[in-house]
Amino acid sequence: DGGITQSPKYLFRKEGQNVTLSCEQNLNHDAMYWYRQDPGQGLRLIYYSQIVNDFQKGDIAEGYSVSREKKESFPLTVTSAQKNPTAFYLCASSIGGFISYNEQFFGPGTRLTVL
Amino acid sequence: KQEVTQIPAALSVPEGENLVLNCSFTDSAIYNLQWFRQDPGKGLTSLLLIQSSQREQTSGRLNASLDKSSGRSTLYIAASQPGDSATYLCAVDHNTDKLIFGTGTRLQVFP
Repeated sequence: DGGITQSPKYLFRKEGQNVTLSCEQNLNHDAMYWYRQDPGQGLRLIYYSQIVNDFQKGDIAEGYSVSREKKESFPLTVTSAQKNPTAFYLCASSIGGFISYNEQFFGPGTRLTVL
Repeated sequence: KQEVTQIPAALSVPEGENLVLNCSFTDSAIYNLQWFRQDPGKGLTSLLLIQSSQREQTSGRLNASLDKSSGRSTLYIAASQPGDSATYLCAVDHNTDKLIFGTGTRLQVFP
């Protein structure tokens, strides 16, 4: 069964703690992405990776970090430096490669709440 | 800077009606445009992708059109059903391998 999995579905964090959100895909996609979604706003890109061991900042990277050690995995760490981390986080993947049929597929999301 | 706008923000229609959702973008230099569906608290489901060289794509009761020169796309839903109730998002790939999203149209189809 091919797809993208994210865990956990819900995550609660105390202020000052770092937390890591998991994203795994078995679609053999080169590119992976992390987005943040807030009520009433469109999705905003946090980080993206077009190939293993390489990643770039998106529009709102401050307070976040990522790694891409394996093709299948792209974990996102929300650090204590992120001032307003409560949001719905979505991971996506695509074939990549600057092609016109580069369709992105999304995971089910992780809802992070800071207590 | 590419900006994507979706109108209307919300729409409520009776079952069976045909409807059109609108998406506009400011820069016509795009690789493709994608339409997504999002149910409350869920991830995004890809509905249709229109490449920059294409004018439309169809999947079942859904038809999406693209007019690059005017910076517009429409998603046509035929014979709407209560199960179509969701938020519909459009996003453009602005030649950067990154998607820029609109804020969505929240659709409710009532029996």
